[in-house]
Amino acid sequence: EIVLTQSPGTLSLSPGERATLSCRASQSVSSSYLAWYQQKPGQAPRLLIYGASSRATGIPDRFSGSGSGTDFTLTISRLEPEDFAVYYCQQYGSSLYSFGQGTKLEIK
Amino acid sequence: QVQLQESGPGLVKPSETLSLTCAVSGYSISSGYYWGWIRQPPGKGLEWIGSIYHSGSTYYNPSLKSRVTISVDTSKNQFSLKLSSVTAADTAVYYCARLNGGWFDPWGQGTLVTVSS
Repeated sequence: EIVLTQSPGTLSLSPGERATLSCRASQSVSSSYLAWYQQKPGQAPRLLIYGASSRATGIPDRFSGSGSGTDFTLTISRLEPEDFAVYYCQQYGSSLYSFGQGTKLEIK
Repeated sequence: QVQLQESGPGLVKPSETLSLTCAVSGYSISSGYYWGWIRQPPGKGLEWIGSIYHSGSTYYNPSLKSRVTISVDTSKNQFSLKLSSVTAADTAVYYCARLNGGWFDPWGQGTLVTVSS
């Protein structure tokens, strides 16, 4: 089973700043099967990025994903007030799925 | 536009079986895709439970496999989750979602299931 570890656990930034969130896998993950989600309180997660770097439909271009192998990154170029939420990475491999524990992005 | 809606009891007694259904609209399950269940204990992260194809082929989280059954009813365009021998640790918001490649999209709104006597 592949374990995903996200860092930091909490990230405190101000609107307009750049956010960099990390997701590290315990073994190599196919880039085709690495996704990122945003979750706001009381809501279901929303797909942001799939295939490590492709934005889902309707996702603003300030969100970008990168990485390969065991290290992946979600970058938010200029934080908007609505971006403060919890972010999860997720991988698929050998018919099994797993999520990271999440990074909480909070307003500083 | 594909929409998913979870339904089922919000309260289940310990040792009993949790049963939920996910109704799909805007897309025919028979047309393809895998469909999945994910849960989230209060204040915690996401955990994949299992997935099913319209043919009935299933994959389960190894940590839950002994207690989980996921089934599909193409005539009703829905799929279901059964989790047996529940304990308080199974208290969570349960989500259903469509699997698009290796990722979940879209998701249902989720339903809170509390395990308590």
